[in-house]
Amino acid sequence: LAKTTQPISMDSYEGQEVNITCSHNNIATNDYITWYQQFPSQGPRFIIQGYKTKVTNEVASLFIPADRKSSTLSLPRVSLSDTAVYYCLVGDTGNQGGKLIFGQGTELSVKP
Amino acid sequence: GAVVSQHPSRVICKSGTSVKIECRSLDFQATTMFWYRQFPKQSLMLMATSNEGSKATYEQGVEKDKFLINHASLTLSTLTVTSAHPEDSSFYICSARDPGPFKETQYFGPGTRLLVL
Repeated sequence: LAKTTQPISMDSYEGQEVNITCSHNNIATNDYITWYQQFPSQGPRFIIQGYKTKVTNEVASLFIPADRKSSTLSLPRVSLSDTAVYYCLVGDTGNQGGKLIFGQGTELSVKP
Repeated sequence: GAVVSQHPSRVICKSGTSVKIECRSLDFQATTMFWYRQFPKQSLMLMATSNEGSKATYEQGVEKDKFLINHASLTLSTLTVTSAHPEDSSFYICSARDPGPFKETQYFGPGTRLLVL
């Protein structure tokens, strides 16, 4: 399973755009990239998923370069409620049953 | 997104007792569910993969006789912590893989806080 590396923590202010980059140098051809958000004492919440190029939904954008060895989660105009831990994961349903291995995640702190 | 529930949300038990935690996929069928454990200020640690109709697959270092997993239907997996001890106190989270549009997506339950006295 591909290992991911993210910054341990990031600070931001309300209204700013936040970009969290994740490295996954050993990503396999069939792997997708998925980002989750977790608040204390809650299960992770799905944010966005992609395979290549750019994906955008109502919450965030995900940028994936051509080599797919990294990805960047972009959160536009963050608010205090975006303070959480963000996890980047790579996985493939066809290999090892789709299990995901969590890295340390990025603790984002949004300040007023 | 797909909804996964867990019950109970919180449980306190005495040392030596067994505790059962349920994980349900509410609006989809899941042939595969996963169980994680999370200690304070740490990431989620995968414990086992629960397969409907077959034995669970445990990660290295996880005692299968202590953490019993039963996936009897396409919407329910249970984790039983047998003879619980204080060191088993943790946040247990399940997830289910949705074979929908985002085939790689796992949806997580809200978690179960276990405190063993």
